[in-house]
Amino acid sequence: AAGVIQSPRHLIKEKRETATLKCYPIPRHDTVYWYQQGPGQDPQFLISFYEKMQSDKGSIPDRFSAQQFSDYHSELNMSSLELGDSALYFCASSLDRGWYTEAFFGQGTRLTVV
Amino acid sequence: AQKVTQAQTEISVVEKEDVTLDCVYETRDTTYYLFWYKQPPSGELVFLIRRNSFDEQNEISGRYSWNFQKSTSSFNFTITASQVVDSAVYFCALSDRAQKLVFGQGTRLTINP
Repeated sequence: AAGVIQSPRHLIKEKRETATLKCYPIPRHDTVYWYQQGPGQDPQFLISFYEKMQSDKGSIPDRFSAQQFSDYHSELNMSSLELGDSALYFCASSLDRGWYTEAFFGQGTRLTVV
Repeated sequence: AQKVTQAQTEISVVEKEDVTLDCVYETRDTTYYLFWYKQPPSGELVFLIRRNSFDEQNEISGRYSWNFQKSTSSFNFTITASQVVDSAVYFCALSDRAQKLVFGQGTRLTINP
């Protein structure tokens, strides 16, 4: 079965550069979530989208922005990168049916800022 | 606000021992969902189980079992006859209807041969 695809899997950037992370949800899933997991930390919710509209927002820095496109894939744009942005970034997707449905996680993108 | 506490930061046992990972949660919602995820060294999050707040029935899946007690706001996870491949970080998580997950701090489990 198709899973959530994240690209790239690994990314190395220098301070002050920009990074773009991509997430391709499971086909027919309409909701996407982004999480950030720092070294030795638990995943923290950043932002979510439902039907291409932002549905919820967590502790996402102003330097980060995200959107969901017409084909439901999502991109997380990170500007003015800082060393502290080094983390594992997870995307998850689900299908909104009006009640709880399970969110499936991608394998993550490991971002290293040097 | 929702909160998940995993008081055990690290646990180390010898293979074949039983081990229980504790999880305590806080929420004001009457409808919520509890999860356990496994994160092996490769980094991906592996879904293990989901329970909703209306279903307190304990569950067993092979060597894994879960004990959900609303009275103590706990959702503990037991591995019976542990194996080296069980070594990982385990996260307990909580979700409301909005579906975003609040994770605990994680428990690093090491199974020694």
